[in-house]
Amino acid sequence: SQKIEQNSEALNIQEGKTATLTCNYTNYSPAYLQWYRQDPGRGPVFLLLIRENEKEKRKERLKVTFDTTLKQSLFHITASQPADSATYLCALDMDSNYQLIWGAGTKLIIKP
Amino acid sequence: DAMVIQNPRYQVTQFGKPVTLSCSQTLNHNVMYWYQQKSSQAPKLLFHYYDKDFNNEADTPDNFQSRRPNTSFCFLDIRSPGLGDAAMYLCATSSGQGGDIQYFGAGTRLSVL
Repeated sequence: SQKIEQNSEALNIQEGKTATLTCNYTNYSPAYLQWYRQDPGRGPVFLLLIRENEKEKRKERLKVTFDTTLKQSLFHITASQPADSATYLCALDMDSNYQLIWGAGTKLIIKP
Repeated sequence: DAMVIQNPRYQVTQFGKPVTLSCSQTLNHNVMYWYQQKSSQAPKLLFHYYDKDFNNEADTPDNFQSRRPNTSFCFLDIRSPGLGDAAMYLCATSSGQGGDIQYFGAGTRLSVL
């Protein structure tokens, strides 16, 4: 079956450390992979997009990697801050019919 | 500056009483989406429009309907809400191109009593 897996357990990280979140998928060949941030009671907010032919993408303290062989994306937040605490969702873009295939997200908690 | 606006933010309805949620956008995007999201779950696509072309997901219950009278507005109608329909409803837009990102509203939290 086709599915996307993100760590269902919350990830607790000490402030200042690097947080690494994982998105694994099976039976898909996405053209793009996107990461979104969702705060409690709010809609997701786009963070980064990486294409299938890109290995890594950076934006300020954020870094995304994409390994199409392993069918995995890693999302890193360096020098983490309590304000980074949120749920982070990955989404696969098959580049067809305008839809994204969503993971359930990983809750990240940054402790001061 | 809010680009995708959902109203109301919170909606309480009674079991079986019809309810309408609204969404408006200032982005002039071709595609508008309605998602249902329950706690700790992935957003579940209910339907989407490309312009006026309506696309219903196969597993979206008939109880859910949608209207898009113009580019800017889209409505979600729940004809007879059940307890299982209590959720966050998210509206999103995109331009409709490959590698496109989605812009979300703040959501409407629906409670069914």
